[in-house]
Amino acid sequence: DTGVSQDPRHKITKRGQNVTFRCDPISEHNRLYWYRQTLGQGPEFLTYFQNEAQLEKSRLLSDRFSAERPKGSFSTLEIQHTEQGDSAMYLCASSLVSQGGEYNEQFFGPGTRLTVL
Amino acid sequence: GQNIDQPTEMTATEGAIVQINCTYQTSGFNGLFWYQQHAGEAPTFLSYNVLDGLEEKGRFSSFLSRSKGYSYLLLKELQMKDSASYLCAVVDSNYQLIWGAGTKLIIKP
Repeated sequence: DTGVSQDPRHKITKRGQNVTFRCDPISEHNRLYWYRQTLGQGPEFLTYFQNEAQLEKSRLLSDRFSAERPKGSFSTLEIQHTEQGDSAMYLCASSLVSQGGEYNEQFFGPGTRLTVL
Repeated sequence: GQNIDQPTEMTATEGAIVQINCTYQTSGFNGLFWYQQHAGEAPTFLSYNVLDGLEEKGRFSSFLSRSKGYSYLLLKELQMKDSASYLCAVVDSNYQLIWGAGTKLIIKP
């Protein structure tokens, strides 16, 4: 257990439905990342937050995807009008980046496995 | 573009030593991570290199050569539980992690 939690762990939905995932990072971490991972691939970056500000979003990411981190603590990732191609593991990670820019490792949550039928 | 290359799959014998290579071409470099990922689970941190040389941590060691854009992860005294995917990731100039596709390591008795 890394201290990062995600909910739900599994989600099965029908094509066209909306889904929302939640991530609770390690409390003192200021950065929160969302990734998507399919079998045999490394994590694919989706977006990240520095505190409550969303600083970057992948250019490959469809407008159907949106993420929030309203109080700089937990985050939600919503996928609207799901498609079968959205089936993947959605990973959340958090890290602490100091003011000096020192980079520390990302701690991953267990992931949410999404299956779109 | 940015690119991280790792072998797709490797096989080794229990008790032996294996070296997993990673080469990278990224816009800037602010460190390189190795993560372990068991099937169906999230990645877990193994090592971080930002300066050239070898970092040793128990049975695992990681090496970095920034001039060659090259790193390797060395696993000694292999155990069956080491069967997993090993992911190489580079921190680029924007402090984003660029991930390789991972190397699936199969350990045989």
